[in-house]
Amino acid sequence: DAGVTQSPTHLIKTRGQHVTLRCSPISGHKSVSWYQQVLGQGPQFIFQYYEKEERGRGNFPDRFSARQFPNYSSELNVNALLLGDSALYLCASSFDRGLTYEQYFGPGTRLTVT
Amino acid sequence: SQQGEEDPQALSIQEGENATMNCSYKTSINNLQWYRQNSGRGLVHLILIRSNEREKHSGRLRVTLDTSKKSSSLLITASRAADTASYFCATDPIYGNNRLAFGKGNQVVVIP
Repeated sequence: DAGVTQSPTHLIKTRGQHVTLRCSPISGHKSVSWYQQVLGQGPQFIFQYYEKEERGRGNFPDRFSARQFPNYSSELNVNALLLGDSALYLCASSFDRGLTYEQYFGPGTRLTVT
Repeated sequence: SQQGEEDPQALSIQEGENATMNCSYKTSINNLQWYRQNSGRGLVHLILIRSNEREKHSGRLRVTLDTSKKSSSLLITASRAADTASYFCATDPIYGNNRLAFGKGNQVVVIP
């Protein structure tokens, strides 16, 4: 079975631009969460989506937005990119919204903002 | 916001030795989880311990949880070069709305 997939693997953008990151969860998983991991730090929660609705939002500015599609895949959008947005963006899927279910992480998208 | 904090931050050991990492947190939790990350890539779930559990084993991994001290430890026995990675603890806070709160991670290097 395929694990969580993310695209693209790497991305280089310029300050002020917009970026869209994509995530496909494991088949049968309905919950998708997004995390930002800055170099040398642990992941920070950005969003959780479950059944196509936002169920949780971390302490990130409104420049960050996301959505979940009927097939449970998800997109993370970041507008007006800043240098500080450079990070590894991780997507995690699980069967249900609660954290008693194991979270399966994708390989991440490495975003570099210049 | 509540986060796990691992101690020590970096560990270098010989193959075959045991590696122990500690994690502390600040608020009440539903469970605590440990993850491994190789070379800045995706996280791999290692083990989950619930707040009403004190110890859990999985293969060469042993996790303990002390909710009175708000701390956890991860022991890797008989380490192998393939165990070289960063290890993170993550808590599921009781009022955290299903978001994992990660610590800064432990860098473990196992020397063959």
